[in-house]
Amino acid sequence: EAGVAQSPRYKIIEKRQSVAFWCNPISGHATLYWYQQILGQGPKLLIQFQNNGVVDDSQLPKDRFSAERLKGVDSTLKIQPAKLEDSAVYLCASSLDRTSGGGLDTQYFGPGTRLTVL
Amino acid sequence: DQQVKQNSPSLSVQEGRISILNCDYTNSMFDYFLWYKKYPAEGPTFLISISSIKDKNEDGRFTVFLNKSAKHLSLHIVPSQPGDSAVYFCAARRTDSWGKLQFGAGTQVVVTP
Repeated sequence: EAGVAQSPRYKIIEKRQSVAFWCNPISGHATLYWYQQILGQGPKLLIQFQNNGVVDDSQLPKDRFSAERLKGVDSTLKIQPAKLEDSAVYLCASSLDRTSGGGLDTQYFGPGTRLTVL
Repeated sequence: DQQVKQNSPSLSVQEGRISILNCDYTNSMFDYFLWYKKYPAEGPTFLISISSIKDKNEDGRFTVFLNKSAKHLSLHIVPSQPGDSAVYFCAARRTDSWGKLQFGAGTQVVVTP
């Protein structure tokens, strides 16, 4: 079974530029998550989708970050304009069904995109 | 606010010995706890979990202990192997927030020969 795919793996941009990350979850997984992991910290949830609907975006800086999940499969996360403090690894994860709990709710992570903002 | 804390940023242990990783939490509403393992340049992978109705869960060399009154959990790895060298994250979740995990900052484990 293929895992969660993310691209690009690395991205370097200058502040005030825009950037987009792509995620393809495990086939059949209804729930998709985007996390931000700043160096030395644990992952922090930015946004959570159930199929193509947003169920939690309370920690997403909506003035500069946006995300969508078209057709309930792939997802993109965009930052516009980027700031220096956005330098982090952006992780995408998916789970079979967040409403079931237990093993079905286990989140599987992709390798992440390392963003450096200069 | 940091609701899940891993106060030891690093741990060095000899191969064959026990590794003990600790995690503390502040939110009494958390009812499900997980440990993830992360290698460099890879995403975290699920290792083991425990529900708040239990105080111990075991899976092979890995055992997680939960002390609800102390709001503390620990992960024991016995015996430690070189392949266990990684960053370990503790995470917690609330019943009314399915899927939303709060992560600790992680503990870097190095297993030496």
